[in-house]
Amino acid sequence: EAEVAQSPRYKITEKSQAVAFWCDPISGHATLYWYRQILGQGPELLVQFQDESVVDDSQLPKDRSSAERLKGVDSTLKIQPAELGDSAMYLCASSLVSGNTIYFGEGSWLTVV
Amino acid sequence: GIQVEQSPPDLILQEGANSTLRCNFSDSVNNLQWFHQNPWGQLINLFYIPSGTKQNGRLSATTVATERYSLLYISSSQTTDSGVYFCAVEEISGGYNKLIFGAGTRLAVHP
Repeated sequence: EAEVAQSPRYKITEKSQAVAFWCDPISGHATLYWYRQILGQGPELLVQFQDESVVDDSQLPKDRSSAERLKGVDSTLKIQPAELGDSAMYLCASSLVSGNTIYFGEGSWLTVV
Repeated sequence: GIQVEQSPPDLILQEGANSTLRCNFSDSVNNLQWFHQNPWGQLINLFYIPSGTKQNGRLSATTVATERYSLLYISSSQTTDSGVYFCAVEEISGGYNKLIFGAGTRLAVHP
């Protein structure tokens, strides 16, 4: 069964350092999502791609974060400088098109110390 | 934006018991999905259910879109059902469907 791949699974970084997460969606899925989930809360959408274009990044702290999806396939989410409040799980998900069933990867746990 | 409220926030069951989880949403939505997050953090899609009723094994879900709620039924619960159940609704934002999650119901099933 096709899966959404993410790496790294776990990351510990010091405050003010740079961190990057990678996601490979299910083959053929046009829509890719990055969510952030703080412990005890539901996932919050950070950025949504339709193919290579960003269609929603309203919750992405753009002064410190960026996301790209070159060629409309895999995607990278970068945070620099990392802050203590960035400690969370970062989830990547994909769907065939916007509005279809959404499939999540295993997530990347970030701890900022 | 749309508000999504789930109840109860926490639920403890004895193995074999049945339960009902509720999701209320504040506005009309295009769709609704239920997810289970296991203790390792993996989110699994359970149902894609804009309206009506669906069943998958011991789980079933009903969405009444006109009354803005959805219910997830778990029958004969097992310890492997433990985890967090999320309801997520879709709203149109900028021409695209945006998934908004509730805060979840944390379920613990004891043997």
